[in-house]
Amino acid sequence: EPEVTQTPSHQVTQMGQEVILRCVPISNHLYFYWYRQILGQKVEFLVSFYNNEISEKSEIFDDQFSVERPDGSNFTLKIRSTKLEDSAMYFCASSGTPSGGDYGYTFGSGTRLTVV
Amino acid sequence: KQEVTQIPAALSVPEGENLVLNCSFTDSAIYNLQWFRQDPGKGLTSLLLIQSSQREQTSGRLNASLDKSSGRSTLYIAASQPGDSATYLCAVLPSGTYKYIFGTGTRLKVLA
Repeated sequence: EPEVTQTPSHQVTQMGQEVILRCVPISNHLYFYWYRQILGQKVEFLVSFYNNEISEKSEIFDDQFSVERPDGSNFTLKIRSTKLEDSAMYFCASSGTPSGGDYGYTFGSGTRLTVV
Repeated sequence: KQEVTQIPAALSVPEGENLVLNCSFTDSAIYNLQWFRQDPGKGLTSLLLIQSSQREQTSGRLNASLDKSSGRSTLYIAASQPGDSATYLCAVLPSGTYKYIFGTGTRLKVLA
């Protein structure tokens, strides 16, 4: 069964450092997303991406965040200057259509980001 | 603004019981609703997807129903097993947007 792959599984970084979280979506999917889950809280939407552009973003997704599809397979989330409150599990997801079609969105296993 | 609530927040049952997890949402204008399983510290595994035009979906021991007009979905787990222990999340995709809104989850523990 096709999977969304995320690397690394766990990253520890110092406050103020830049981090890049990487994702390989399902190969024939065209829509890509980042969500995050702060420990003990709900999973929340960050950004959606289609055709090399941001389709939608949440209030959380400020100028510190950026996304990119640098090649035909990877989808990345960059946080320019990390804060303690950026510590969370970050999930990448992809879908074949914006509403998910017959299968919904497929989520990756997440990257746990710890900012110290 | 769409809000998703899951009740109960936690549930502990003996092995073999049939159980029902509840999800409610405030706006019935949705594309679909998806149920996920999340093991501690792990990712989101999709269990069932119900389109807005559907009433229920089944996969093995799992059955999910959707009553869009009343803003409710239930996940029914038959003959629960210790391996079912996890957090179950409900998420709705509101019409006119393509961002899932998640509930806080039900943490299920099935005792052997």
